[in-house]
Amino acid sequence: EVQLVESGGGLVQPGGSLRLSCAASGFTFSTYWMHWVRQAPGKGPVWVSRINGDGSSTTYADSVKGRFTISRDNAKNTLDLQMNSLRAEDTAVYYCARGSSYYDTRVLDYWGQGTLVTVSS
Amino acid sequence: DIVMTQSPDSLAVSLGERATFNCKSSQSVLYSSNNKNYLAWYQQKPGQPPKLLVYWASTRESGVPDRFSGSGSGTDFTLTISSLQAEDVAVYYCQQYYTTPLTFGGGTKVEIK
Repeated sequence: EVQLVESGGGLVQPGGSLRLSCAASGFTFSTYWMHWVRQAPGKGPVWVSRINGDGSSTTYADSVKGRFTISRDNAKNTLDLQMNSLRAEDTAVYYCARGSSYYDTRVLDYWGQGTLVTVSS
Repeated sequence: DIVMTQSPDSLAVSLGERATFNCKSSQSVLYSSNNKNYLAWYQQKPGQPPKLLVYWASTRESGVPDRFSGSGSGTDFTLTISSLQAEDVAVYYCQQYYTTPLTFGGGTKVEIK
């Protein structure tokens, strides 16, 4: 069974940093693109970033480029999101999601339960 | 960026009745070389993450009941629930994967009348 479990969320002051992690199991992690998607309360999902299977290719939304860094450790089956220079508008539930290897890597076929990040003074 | 616009924002449908809602993209998500529409639909129930329902605009994900059907091409798409069940109460989102950044619509909330 595919499982994605996020951790690391919490309350942080504007300008602060936070590192999110996603522990993956139930599939061959290293062969899948992985994504981070966030969702502010009452809003639709917003894609944040993606990384390919071996970690050599990453893409970011313009709103987080230069502030967030996606990475993965295939030996530990973990996906990370380092978030720096956090702003109030980064407040959201952050989901890690798997890109499908059957349809298209940009179709998100499994999602974690999410971790809440609140940026506030 | 491709902007995804969903309508209506919400709708209330009686149990057993048809529910239809729409998604429009600001530019075509039809890739001419393979004639595929890069459009997915997700269902999100309260307190849960989104769940993939449909990809390639009309292909149901494994395990999704056949009362859910997707249609459309180019810039205009529709998700139909042929006979609404109580467990279908949720917010439904469309997403384009034609290009990055991946973008989602604002959602349609489906409730029981």
